[in-house]
Amino acid sequence: AQSVAQPEDQVNVAEGNPLTVKCTYSVSGNPYLFWYVQYPNRGLQFLLKYITGDNLVKGSYGFEAEFNKSQTSFHLKKPSALVSDSALYFCAVRDGNDYKLSFGAGTTVTVRA
Amino acid sequence: DGGITQSPKYLFRKEGQNVTLSCEQNLNHDAMYWYRQDPGQGLRLIYYSQIVNDFQKGDIAEGYSVSREKKESFPLTVTSAQKNPTAFYLCATRTPQRDSTEAFFGQGTRLTVV
Repeated sequence: AQSVAQPEDQVNVAEGNPLTVKCTYSVSGNPYLFWYVQYPNRGLQFLLKYITGDNLVKGSYGFEAEFNKSQTSFHLKKPSALVSDSALYFCAVRDGNDYKLSFGAGTTVTVRA
Repeated sequence: DGGITQSPKYLFRKEGQNVTLSCEQNLNHDAMYWYRQDPGQGLRLIYYSQIVNDFQKGDIAEGYSVSREKKESFPLTVTSAQKNPTAFYLCATRTPQRDSTEAFFGQGTRLTVV
């Protein structure tokens, strides 16, 4: 079985400050990890992914994420948050040997001006 | 988004009725997925299909049914057996020809039982 945990329901930061959204996962095989963002009443937009290689991956809109195999984590980061980053963020995992794609419960990010 | 069409955007159903949600894609993707989104619970997988004429139950398949007769289409039927169908439903596709690809999402259908 595979699963994703996002331990924080909400993250609040001031504009210009660093933003971190936490994610831990569990899979039996090699993890393929993804981050998505969702704006109200919309579908999900892909931000970035880790498949293999460098543990630090860079994605859209200045976001990056760090894969940590020993801690089974894949935290999303942005060095300087913008008000427009306020949205719902989802972490997802897939076992490299399977098609099933599992999501976490989501973290609501609010960036105040 | 882009190439994945979910219709209708809003759907109202009376209790005891079946209703079908449409998902059509022109991305030539083999894999398709249906998720249900409820506040605070994230996305939960209902069904997924790797190829035409084949599909598997996800984590919350009870009260739902699907078909995959065409590569482009993966309709989801919410049956009267689904006790709490009010939710936001999202369809996604992926091309497993390159195994590392991410999934693409439609804009969703909001189903409300009245």
